[in-house]
Amino acid sequence: DAKTTQPPSMDCAEGRAANLPCNHSTISGNEYVYWYRQIHSQGPQYIIHGLKNNETNEMASLIITEDRKSSTLILPHATLRDTAVYYCIVRVADDMRFGAGTRLTVKP
Amino acid sequence: DGGITQSPKYLFRKEGQNVTLSCEQNLNHDAMYWYRQDPGQGLRLIYYSQIVNDFQKGDIAEGYSVSREKKESFPLTVTSAQKNPTAFYLCASSGQGFSSGANVLTFGAGSRLTVL
Repeated sequence: DAKTTQPPSMDCAEGRAANLPCNHSTISGNEYVYWYRQIHSQGPQYIIHGLKNNETNEMASLIITEDRKSSTLILPHATLRDTAVYYCIVRVADDMRFGAGTRLTVKP
Repeated sequence: DGGITQSPKYLFRKEGQNVTLSCEQNLNHDAMYWYRQDPGQGLRLIYYSQIVNDFQKGDIAEGYSVSREKKESFPLTVTSAQKNPTAFYLCASSGQGFSSGANVLTFGAGSRLTVL
């Protein structure tokens, strides 16, 4: 089973920040949190990952709580092209299991 | 450019036939993975391999088989024992094998299998 819990769907207005939450309350000390997104009928695309500290790259920011039990992916200025399913995953041993993800719909 | 190539992109099969989906990577990655995705659903892990000549079952391995004879190749065979094989199949690879470090996956474009 996936070790993460995400809301099944979210909406966001174009140009606004999209904040996607993820709960991973059973995460171990050396497990990373990863975020991917999947646009319809394509392979998932890596977005960002983190261990303890907040991370930022050209696509998004990742905020991890101090107790590491939850995190938030932030798309600072969402566009229509950001409409996709977003997956938050935590590495389980040597494999990578995906949950159902959050379907983000960016609306004009 | 480095990446993962899956073929064929679309495949049709008659019931009772085995089919093999190809996955090749030129990223020099140690680990490779196969996932299945049904319409509107998330990804489910079929098999994964951390090193050549070794692989492990994922959550839904029944009716599938794999081989890892070369580092760059990880073909998936959908056998006639798989009762409902129509799905979107995704192959992925990552640079970290048994390491506890970060393990970013790179995905292929997928193969869509339809059983007629």
